[in-house]
Amino acid sequence: EVQLLESGGDLIQPGGSLRLSCAASGFTLTSYAMSWVRLAPGKGLEWVSAISGSDDSTYYADSVKGRFTISRDNSKNTLYLQMNSLRAEDTAIYYCAKFTWTQLNYFDYWGQGTLVTVSP
Amino acid sequence: SYVLTQPPSVSVAPGKTARITCGGNNIGTKSVHWYQQKPGQAPVLVIYYDNDRPSGIPERFSGSNSGNTATLTISRVEAGDEADYYCQVWDRSSDHLVFGGGTKLTVL
Repeated sequence: EVQLLESGGDLIQPGGSLRLSCAASGFTLTSYAMSWVRLAPGKGLEWVSAISGSDDSTYYADSVKGRFTISRDNSKNTLYLQMNSLRAEDTAIYYCAKFTWTQLNYFDYWGQGTLVTVSP
Repeated sequence: SYVLTQPPSVSVAPGKTARITCGGNNIGTKSVHWYQQKPGQAPVLVIYYDNDRPSGIPERFSGSNSGNTATLTISRVEAGDEADYYCQVWDRSSDHLVFGGGTKLTVL
């Protein structure tokens, strides 16, 4: 059974850094494209970042490019999101999501999310 | 960057048909996917590649995509269908994944 378990969310001050983790089970992370998606309070889903399953190419939303970094540790079957220079508008539930294969098409599995709050 | 436009809300009586639109420039040339999200829960895929249903999703859910509009259709709406619905595409020109703004479906 495929499972995605996010962790690392916290209350952090503006300008601070945080690393989110997504532990995957039921499949081999290295074979799949993966992504982070967030849901801010009162807003809709926003794509944050993706990593391809073929050559580990990375992609970022304009709102986070240069501040966030997506990566994975295949030995731990874990996906990460390093978030630097955090802003109040980064406050959201962050979901880890799995694409159906190496292609960047759609998500067939989602985690339950981890809450990041950026506030003084 | 590519923009997907959804109506903020749609209301429908139980047993009737709900149609949620997703507008985008030449969206008919892209593959559109739809998610349902209920409060406090993760999103769930309900339609992929315009009109395919994942296993476990009722046949009441269907999709279409042509021209500048994709549509999610929910037939014989039930109270349990009340949720936020999002359309999504991968925009190859910008290498960005794009969500529509979301539509809140209210069952009257």
